Amino acid sequence: AQSVTQLGSHVSVSEGALVLLRCNYSSSVPPYLFWYVQYPNQGLQLLLKYTTGATLVKGINGFEAEFKKSETSFHLTKPSAHMSDAAEYFCAVSLTGGGNKLTFGTGTQLKVEL
Amino acid sequence: DGGITQSPKYLFRKEGQNVTLSCEQNLNHDAMYWYRQDPGQGLRLIYYSQIVNDFQKGDIAEGYSVSREKKESFPLTVTSAQKNPTAFYLCASSIVTGTGGAEAFFGQGTRLTVV
Repeated sequence: AQSVTQLGSHVSVSEGALVLLRCNYSSSVPPYLFWYVQYPNQGLQLLLKYTTGATLVKGINGFEAEFKKSETSFHLTKPSAHMSDAAEYFCAVSLTGGGNKLTFGTGTQLKVEL
Repeated sequence: DGGITQSPKYLFRKEGQNVTLSCEQNLNHDAMYWYRQDPGQGLRLIYYSQIVNDFQKGDIAEGYSVSREKKESFPLTVTSAQKNPTAFYLCASSIVTGTGGAEAFFGQGTRLTVV
């Protein structure tokens, strides 16, 4: 069975600083990987996804993530944090032939401080 | 505009009552999903459906029921058998691919509170 681990339930950065949110997965086969963002009392919005091909994936709002098979990781980064980035971020995985079901991590709450 | 509509946004239920959460999509997606969100636990899959008149249990189906009579609708009933129903419920939809990897589109959620 696949699973997703997000290290750090809360991350705090200063405005303009690097954002790094960590995600590791466990899967016996190469998975499909996703990052979603959630603002308070809202649904989830897709930031980016990795399916096949280039391992560095660029998403919306200046975010990107790199798929590293050897490390089973898919960390999310943004060079310069903005106050509007404050939200909860979820990493998710689905497997080939898994019926498109997503398995989510427990989420990381990002706080951006002045 | 295409999207997923969940209603109501807030719902209050007395203990022992069944309640039904509505989810409608106009994205022409074959697959629909219900997730439950609790603080610190991420999203957990309750039920999903990949085609009309068929659905499967997810990881936490006990105390819930669903139907899929129309492609665009996937209502979730929270029954009195659900021991701790207070949570944020999210509905999603996606295309169905043979290999997986389809993006899920989410509704705005329904917050259910037992009073």
